[in-house]
Amino acid sequence: QVQLQESGPGLLKPSETLSLTCSVSGDSISRSNHFWGWIRQPPGKGLEWIGNIFYSVRTFYSPSLRGRVTMSIDASKNQFSLKLKSVTATDTAVYYCAREGSVGGTFDVWGQGTMVTVS
Amino acid sequence: QSALTQPASVSGSPGQSITISCTGTSSDIGAYKYVSWYQKHPDKAPKLILYEVNNRPSGVPDRFSGSKSGNTASLVISGLQAEDEAEYYCISQTTGALVVGGGTRVTVL
Repeated sequence: QVQLQESGPGLLKPSETLSLTCSVSGDSISRSNHFWGWIRQPPGKGLEWIGNIFYSVRTFYSPSLRGRVTMSIDASKNQFSLKLKSVTATDTAVYYCAREGSVGGTFDVWGQGTMVTVS
Repeated sequence: QSALTQPASVSGSPGQSITISCTGTSSDIGAYKYVSWYQKHPDKAPKLILYEVNNRPSGVPDRFSGSKSGNTASLVISGLQAEDEAEYYCISQTTGALVVGGGTRVTVL
C-alpha cells in the first residue's frame, strides 16, 4: 500500500522560504513511472496545483508560481521536496503531496496534508 | 492560465441525479482527454473519483460517471447519497501544466 506523508515547518514569516518534504512508502520514486506532485488549498478556497516532478528529470510548475517554486527528489531517502521562496500571507494553505498516475492530472495517492501559515 | 469554471454549488435530494460542469478552453479540456475529478470532504485529502474523463478507479461506485463535449467536462452523480455531500474539483491537462477548477459544493437536501 502506497503512503505519502508531508513534513515541514507549520509557521513561517513573510519573505522566508517554505520547505516541505514528502516521504513515500510502498513505492520507489526512482523506479516508478509516476510523477510526484504538490497541491495546496488556502483556507476557504479551492485546490491549486503547484507542480510535478519526475525522478529529477522533468519538472512542471504552475505558471503563477514559476520563479518562486523548486521541486526536487532525494532518491536515497525516497522523498521529494517543495521549496517556495519569498512567501506571503497568500501562501498560507494546507499543502498536499500526491502521486500522479500515468495520465496527467490523475493523482491517485495523497498525503494527509500539512497546514502552513505565513504570519 | 485561468482556472476551470465550475458552478459554486449544486444540490439535490437523496436518490436524485446531479450534474457538475467544468468548463475550460480549447487549450485544456478541449485539447486533451485527461480530465479527472476529485471528491473532497472537510479536513480530508482529495479522493480521485474519475480519470480520463470517465474512468473510475477501483472502489469508486458506478454512481459516478463523466463525459466531455468540446471544452466542457461533466460529472454526474446518480442516486445521490448523504455521503456524497462534499466539494468536487475537476483537473485538466494543459500544455506543460495542469489546471484546476474552482470547486463545486454538493449539498444533499
